[in-house]
Amino acid sequence: EVQLVDSGGGLVEPGGSLRLSCAASGFSSTNAYMTWVRQAPGRGLEWVARIKSKSDGATTDYAAPVKGRFIISRDDSQNTLYLQMDSLKAEDTGVYYCTRELSDSSGPRHYFQYWGQGSLVTVSS
Amino acid sequence: EIVLTQSPATLSLSPGERVTLSCRASQSLTNFLGWYQQKPGQAPRLLIYDASNRAAGIPTRFSGSGSGTDFTLTISNLEPEDFAVYYCQQRGYWYTFGQGTKLEIK
Repeated sequence: EVQLVDSGGGLVEPGGSLRLSCAASGFSSTNAYMTWVRQAPGRGLEWVARIKSKSDGATTDYAAPVKGRFIISRDDSQNTLYLQMDSLKAEDTGVYYCTRELSDSSGPRHYFQYWGQGSLVTVSS
Repeated sequence: EIVLTQSPATLSLSPGERVTLSCRASQSLTNFLGWYQQKPGQAPRLLIYDASNRAAGIPTRFSGSGSGTDFTLTISNLEPEDFAVYYCQQRGYWYTFGQGTKLEIK
């Protein structure tokens, strides 16, 4: 059974840093496109960052609001995904979800099939 | 950036009714659109991908259609557990979501 468990959220002051973790089980995250999606309180969903599968080069991509401040990475030995968040701003507040993209015989389909339970990040002084 | 506009913002219906939700894109997506359901305090659930393909385990009362810039999600014979917020998502150019449609019990 595929499972994603998010952790690492908390309260941080503006300008501070936080690292989120996502422990994967039931599959190898190395072979999957993994993504972080966030949701501000009472708001909609926003894509944050993506890391491709190892076979596709494990390259990373970021949404414009977080580019240069956030880093997505993966520890294959631990089957764990990370999101390092630096220079945090109030507008980064929200629930952060780790997701695994849908994949089939055609390859990655770029829809979010599996989700973690989310980690709440609050940026406030 | 591709903008997705969902309508209406809120719908009030009764169990057993049929509902159609709309999602309009600011530029053509061919069929690169998905739909999600989110209940309070839960992560979203993928319902439909590539406009009309049901994800694994999704009941047949959920169906999607459309292409280009106009897409719909139809739920036939609403069940009590279907009352939630629904989001569309495009994968034609990076990823963006619509602002959501809240389906509430009348």
